[in-house]
This record gives sequence, C-alpha cells and structure tokens, in this order.
Amino acid sequence: AQSVTQLDSQVPVFEEAPVELRCNYSSSVSVYLFWYVQYPNQGLQLLLKYLSGSTLVKGINGFEAEFNKSQTSFHLRKPSVHISDTAEYFCAGLKAAGNKLTFGGGTRVLVKP
Amino acid sequence: SAVISQKPSRDICQRGTSLTIQCQVDSQVTMMFWYRQQPGQSLTLIATANQGSEATYESGFVIDKFPISRPNLTFSTLTVSNLSPEDSSIYLCSVELTGYEQYFGPGTRLTVT
Repeated sequence: AQSVTQLDSQVPVFEEAPVELRCNYSSSVSVYLFWYVQYPNQGLQLLLKYLSGSTLVKGINGFEAEFNKSQTSFHLRKPSVHISDTAEYFCAGLKAAGNKLTFGGGTRVLVKP
Repeated sequence: SAVISQKPSRDICQRGTSLTIQCQVDSQVTMMFWYRQQPGQSLTLIATANQGSEATYESGFVIDKFPISRPNLTFSTLTVSNLSPEDSSIYLCSVELTGYEQYFGPGTRLTVT
C-alpha cells in the first residue's frame, strides 16, 4: 500500500478562490511531512514542512498545511489562488527508518481566470 | 537552502546507448539522492549516494543499469545505461540539508528514441 496518498489527481480552481489539496499518510512513514511544488519544466521547490510542534504550518507563497494525527492527514490550503499557482503539488513523508522521502502521486492544480 | 545544477538539462538518446547526468551543489553535503519521474508520474527514489561509500539502491533499481559516482561532497553523477524507450523520464538529484529538508535540482529530461 502506498505510504503517502494524495486523494485528488487534478484540482481545477478559479482565480482568487480557495483551494485545498488532500494528503493522507500511513504508519510506514514518520510524522515528518512535506509539501513540494513543481512548476512546468522545473524541479521541485519546498513549500512547507511539519516536523513537530504547532500543527498549523505556514509556508511560502501564502500556503499553509495542517497536520492531523487522528486523521493521518496533512492537507494543504491557500485562501486565494493566483494564475501563477498552476503547478503540480506533491505531498511527501520520510520513511519511518531513515531519511528517504516517499512521495504521493501528485495533484495537478489548474487555476482558471 | 542550496543551489543545485544538473547537466544536461535535456537530451535525446538512441536506444542502447548511455547517458551520464551530472549534479553539482554549491555547498558540501553528505547525502545526495537520485530520483526518476516518469511521464505524468510522481517521483521514485533510485538511490542514495554518500561520499566515500557505494550508493544504496532502492528495490527495482540495480547498479549495472544506474551506476552512480560520488567523488566529493559537492558532486555526483548518475549514468543510465543500455537505454530503452522505457527510460524516457525526468531524472532529478536532491540533497539533504538541515531539518530533513531536501532540495532538488531542475531535472534532466531524457528522451530515448
């Protein structure tokens, strides 16, 4: 079974609307969780991470994510998206033993004007 | 953060040949990673490369097909050998810095004809 699951493969959203990207993790990963963004034809950029402490994590470009241990989730949110947020977003977690990232399948966000 | 460059950025190769991808980091790092991103897919870890030791390969990846060098703390190469069309992918290197964060290079887009 996949260790990190992104529930939506594509999310269309209108400009200035809010967006939520869903991510669930399994017990095979630790609770070190990350969100990365991949703009077209580029590498991955770290948006935010959760290692410990406050369950609400704020990242770059107005994104935030909430760690929910009881629901084993780490959903990403942005209250108002821009056209420039069109990209692929990956949730990732560290495997319980070691420092190897395991990635979810990705969610493609298409922001429409 | 770290600045990571990869060469080449893209290449088109004939079946049966090999391609060597270079990854250069602007600071010394212990751990470097190589990933494959097949078309429309998420990232899959190929191997972990530590300076001064043999690379550690993930299940499904073997040294004969993906030999890796790590001659110093700022540089690594990945060779994809005996190319077939199924090897057409984006290959990315990453490095781990503090706080379990991984930073990614821009990727090398390989097309095998």
